[in-house]
Formats: sequence, structure tokens, C-alpha cells
Amino acid sequence: DAGVIQSPRHEVTEMGQEVTLRCKPISGHNSLFWYRQTMMRGLELLIYFNNNVPIDDSGMPEDRFSAKMPNASFSTLKIQPSEPRDSAVYFCASRGEGLSSYEQYFGPGTRLTVT
Amino acid sequence: GDSVTQMEGPVTLSEEAFLTINCTYTATGYPSLFWYVQYPGEGLQLLLKATKADDKGSNKGFEATYRKETTSFHLEKGSVQVSDSAVYFCALSEWDTGNQFYFGTGTSLTVIP
Repeated sequence: DAGVIQSPRHEVTEMGQEVTLRCKPISGHNSLFWYRQTMMRGLELLIYFNNNVPIDDSGMPEDRFSAKMPNASFSTLKIQPSEPRDSAVYFCASRGEGLSSYEQYFGPGTRLTVT
Repeated sequence: GDSVTQMEGPVTLSEEAFLTINCTYTATGYPSLFWYVQYPGEGLQLLLKATKADDKGSNKGFEATYRKETTSFHLEKGSVQVSDSAVYFCALSEWDTGNQFYFGTGTSLTVIP
């Protein structure tokens, strides 16, 4: 299995530009999570989907952030317009169905730098 | 609500020293407990897990025992190596909160030769 795939691995953009981060979960997993990691705030859950439906987006910092999951094998996290304080590593994770004993599998992350 | 509390870091140890990273949790039911490790520049990887009270998870010389009476899941290793330098996260998942994980803040470990 290829694991969770994220792209791009690195993104450098200027303030005000739109940024789109992509994630392909592990095949057969029905839950998908987006996290943001910074030195100041640690690991933060932004949003998670179950069977392609957003369940909890209370961690999305503001309206500039949006996430979609159009099908079971693809999700995007979009920031528009981007700001320097959005600079962070963004992780996607997926998980199999049902049991609380199932672990989350993390992707390698996208390092975003907004100048 | 559910939560996880980890000991603050950073932790610096000499090679072959004994490691303990404390983790306590709050949950309404019967959670599963996890330790994840994040090596520099990488994503989080599952290190070990335990799904019920008194279970012991183990991997790569690391161990943690699910203690319901003390609501704890402390990570231990008898002899650390330089390659163990990483950030360690304690986490829980509970069936009645859906598929959500609750992560601790992470503990940075540096092992010096």
C-alpha cells in the first residue's frame, strides 16, 4: 500500500494567493483528517470527514479555509487568500471504519510558507 | 470531554538512559490509547497501542501499559538510542466520539551520545 499521499510536499507562495493542498487517503479508509502543525500551537485538528461528509470543522481557523472531499479517494484543503500566519506543516491522515482501536495513518505533510 | 495530557518537554537524555514520558487521559467511556512518534521532517507514525485496561503495547523496545485506575498510559524504554530522538505524541480514541482522535501536545526527546 502506498500510504496516505499528499501533494505538494512543499509550497511557497505570496500573501494573498490561493493555495490548494491535496490528499489521497489509503484505499478503503472511510475517515479523513486534516491537521496543522506549528511550533507555537502544536498539532491542531482542522476538519475531519467520515464517508466523504464533513463531521467536525470547528478547528478551521476562519472562512479563508475550506476543505472538500468529492469522493473517497481525494480531498483538498484550500486557503484563499493566504496569509503569512498560515505558514505551517499541514498533515492529512486517514483511518479505517468503525472501531476505536483503528489507528490513524498520516501522510508526509505539506510544508507551506507564505511570504 | 475527552483529552490527553502529556509531560512537558523537551527531554534530553544520554544514550542508554531510561526513558519515561508521562501521559494521562480523560474519557467518558473505554478508549483505545496510542503513542505516535514523529521523526524530524516526517509525519506521525504509530509506535504502539493498547485497546483495553491492563493491555501492554510494545514496539522497538518501547512499552506502555493501559492503566484504567490511574487513567495513564506512560511510555517507557529501558535504554534509549540516538535514533530515538523525535517528538512523541500520546493519543486516545473512543467509539462514542466517532472516529476522532485526541492528541497530547507532544514531548520532544533528544538523545545525546
